[in-house]
Amino acid sequence: EAGVTQSPTHLIKTRGQQATLRCSPISGHTSVYWYQQALGLGLQFLLWYDEGEERNRGNFPPRFSGRQFPNYSSELNVNALELEDSALYLCASSFPTKRQYNEQFFGPGTRLTVL
Amino acid sequence: GQQVMQIPQYQHVQEGEDFTTYCNSSTTLSNIQWYKQRPGGHPVFLIQLVKSGEVKKQKRLTFQFGEAKKNSSLHITATQTTDVGTYFCAPDSNYQLIWGAGTKLIIKP
Repeated sequence: EAGVTQSPTHLIKTRGQQATLRCSPISGHTSVYWYQQALGLGLQFLLWYDEGEERNRGNFPPRFSGRQFPNYSSELNVNALELEDSALYLCASSFPTKRQYNEQFFGPGTRLTVL
Repeated sequence: GQQVMQIPQYQHVQEGEDFTTYCNSSTTLSNIQWYKQRPGGHPVFLIQLVKSGEVKKQKRLTFQFGEAKKNSSLHITATQTTDVGTYFCAPDSNYQLIWGAGTKLIIKP
């Protein structure tokens, strides 16, 4: 069974540009979560999508946005990039929320560097 | 919103020594998950605890859920170099995980 995939692996942008990160969940998973992990730090929750709807978002500015497509893949967009946006962006997927347990399966991440 | 405190932030041990990380909440938790992130890797699910007072073992790893379901711990016996990484607790809150800051296990050379 294929795991969660993310693209690109690395992304280098300059301040003010826009970045688009992509995530494909495990087959059968309808929930996708996005996290930001600055170097050496913990996971900061960004966004949660389920069944195509945004269910919740973390304490990030509106320039962080995303969407979930009908095939449950997801896209994270970061506009007007700032230097502090440099981080590892992790995507995780889980089984439908009606299940009792929803362990999250993570992709390898996209390393975003803003110069 | 719900928060969880995880301590310590770092733990340096000699190979063969034990390691413990603690996760504490001010509110009652419905369940709690534990994850491990190796250096340069991504978090990987270890276990989920649901019942009050639950204890689960995976080889040298012992996971406990407090009787009041407000705290949890992970204990590793006789650490090995393969145990190096950061261990996160993550209580579930309405299908969303609330992540602790993590405890980094460092093996002294």
